[in-house]
Amino acid sequence: KQEVTQIPAALSVPEGENLVLNCSFTDSAIYNLQWFRQDPGKGLTSLLLIQSSQREQTSGRLNASLDKSSGRSTLYIAASQPGDSATYLCAVRPGGNNDMRFGAGTRLTVKP
Amino acid sequence: DTEVTQTPKHLVMGMTNKKSLKCEQHMGHRAMYWYKQKAKKPPELMFVYSYEKLSINESVPSRFSPECPNSSLLNLHLHALQPEDSALYLCASSRGPPGQYLTKENEQYFGPGTRLTVT
Repeated sequence: KQEVTQIPAALSVPEGENLVLNCSFTDSAIYNLQWFRQDPGKGLTSLLLIQSSQREQTSGRLNASLDKSSGRSTLYIAASQPGDSATYLCAVRPGGNNDMRFGAGTRLTVKP
Repeated sequence: DTEVTQTPKHLVMGMTNKKSLKCEQHMGHRAMYWYKQKAKKPPELMFVYSYEKLSINESVPSRFSPECPNSSLLNLHLHALQPEDSALYLCASSRGPPGQYLTKENEQYFGPGTRLTVT
């Protein structure tokens, strides 16, 4: 069964720092990997989706990379802002169905 | 319209009540999902509907009963719930049915959730 792990569980940085969030998964046979943002008590907002054949995706200050063979993905956030404070979740879609597996998330706090 | 809407936002119900959660999308998506999320935990998949037919049921207790009346609407009927069922219930949709490889076909869009408290 696919296991998804996110490290660190929590991260606090001063405003303006560049930071990296990590996601690892145990089974490299995935269709894609998706990064989400979740504000407290709210739904999930999709940030980036990387197909298994791709190595990275970029959107604004966000860059997500995927190394399928080693079972790793990173989310790079440039020039962090207090508005980036949220929980960041990664999810992988294994094989041929839509049963996404989520990591437990990294809770990010960006201090002004 | 690129939104998934969920109603109500909050729901408090007793263990003997019957209530329903509603999810709606008008993006023409053909797959819809229910997830359950406990505090500080990741979402867990409950049900998947593809072309209005139930395609995945992750061994969810029968006190949760999903219904997909049409391609835009997904309900979750609740009956005789337990306090441990209190959680955030999230609905999502994707353009394509399960198994589609193309990126935009299986990207999931989530609603804001319904915060359920069972007393």
